[in-house]
Amino acid sequence: DADVTQTPRNRITKTGKRIMLECSQTKGHDRMYWYRQDPGLGLRLIYYSFDVKDINKGEISDGYSVSRQAQAKFSLSLESAIPNQTALYFCATSDNRQQHGYTFGSGTRLTVV
Amino acid sequence: QQQVKQSPQSLIVQKGGISIINCAYENTAFDYFPWYQQFPGKGPALLIAIRPDVSEKKEGRFTISFNKSAKQFSLHIMDSQPGDSATYFCAASIGTYKYIFGTGTRLKVLA
Repeated sequence: DADVTQTPRNRITKTGKRIMLECSQTKGHDRMYWYRQDPGLGLRLIYYSFDVKDINKGEISDGYSVSRQAQAKFSLSLESAIPNQTALYFCATSDNRQQHGYTFGSGTRLTVV
Repeated sequence: QQQVKQSPQSLIVQKGGISIINCAYENTAFDYFPWYQQFPGKGPALLIAIRPDVSEKKEGRFTISFNKSAKQFSLHIMDSQPGDSATYFCAASIGTYKYIFGTGTRLKVLA
């Protein structure tokens, strides 16, 4: 099993729909992150959590919300999806000292039509 | 000041050649500079990283060169191979705080 598992891998949804992307990890890490990848814009941070009770906005949090259900689970929600949220979404984890960098999931490709 | 500027956006190199990707930053508080490699359909994975107390770090065919005074760092891939074809991201962080990523470089190594 992968260290960081993202579901679904691919999703097509309609404008205005609510959608949840899920992430679970078996690394035992406290820190979890949600990134969005767009061509030419790189990886942009949406939300991050340094422990279960800590949730922080990243640079592009508008239109998104998150839930840290447990140390191992961090979900990203789009309350009302819009076409410019079409992107590749990555979840990542790290230990508190980031000694081994970030471990990323394989991503969720989201298309909003 | 929190940006990390990466260039070029794309790069084509012949097999056996040297691939060079550059990054620049403004915030002198950054003290950790990793590079990530991403293959299609996969998430980025840590490739190599450097701290500003050294000017160069080498791991196999991959070398980071760091110029603290110029606030620049670069990734050199020696003897580039088709299997190195991937997207590369530089990043920077302050201590154990979150990373700021560059915009990525898509590398294609021709056989």
